[in-house]
Amino acid sequence: ELKVEQNPLFLSMQEGKNYTIYCNYSTTSDRLYWYRQDPGKSLESLFVLLSNGAVKQEGRLMASLDTKARLSTLHITAAVHDLSATYFCAADRDDKIIFGKGTRLHILP
Amino acid sequence: EPEVTQTPSHQVTQMGQEVILRCVPISNHLYFYWYRQILGQKVEFLVSFYNNEISEKSEIFDDQFSVERPDGSNFTLKIRSTKLEDSAMYFCASSAQGQGYNEQFFGPGTRLTVL
Repeated sequence: ELKVEQNPLFLSMQEGKNYTIYCNYSTTSDRLYWYRQDPGKSLESLFVLLSNGAVKQEGRLMASLDTKARLSTLHITAAVHDLSATYFCAADRDDKIIFGKGTRLHILP
Repeated sequence: EPEVTQTPSHQVTQMGQEVILRCVPISNHLYFYWYRQILGQKVEFLVSFYNNEISEKSEIFDDQFSVERPDGSNFTLKIRSTKLEDSAMYFCASSAQGQGYNEQFFGPGTRLTVL
């Protein structure tokens, strides 16, 4: 059974700092996703990672995938307040997508 | 920019009643999904749908749930006899492909409140 675990679940950080959110999954997955959710809003797709060693960057966010370790990371560089949100990773196998519990990120000015 | 739309934005119903949640996926997409999110909790996969049939479903998607694509544009989720624990945000998503780079686009959600 595919399980996805994220850590940390809550993260409060200062603007300008760097931090990493970790996402572990339990069995082989076809894809790894990262989403952003603002309070009361829908999910915004950030990254889709397919293969081992995949690295994608968009602005201050960079996601990577290590399929051997079954680990994906979302790295935040020089955080700004606008990045405050909940970030979910999700993994899928055979078109069944399992989400992690989410990381609630709060960036302090 | 094309987007997934959902109606209604908020549905209030009595326990035991049937509800239908509607979604209009992005027009050239072929793969459709329903998820739910209980307030403050994680997003849970319900069902995926392709070529007019369910391709995968979760344990949550029991006999009280059904999905349909009644015409070329709508994708619906029906809950036959709602329970209190069905109260949640329901998100529809669509993607252009199921294999490879499967980026899913989510709708704004329908908040279902069962009284």
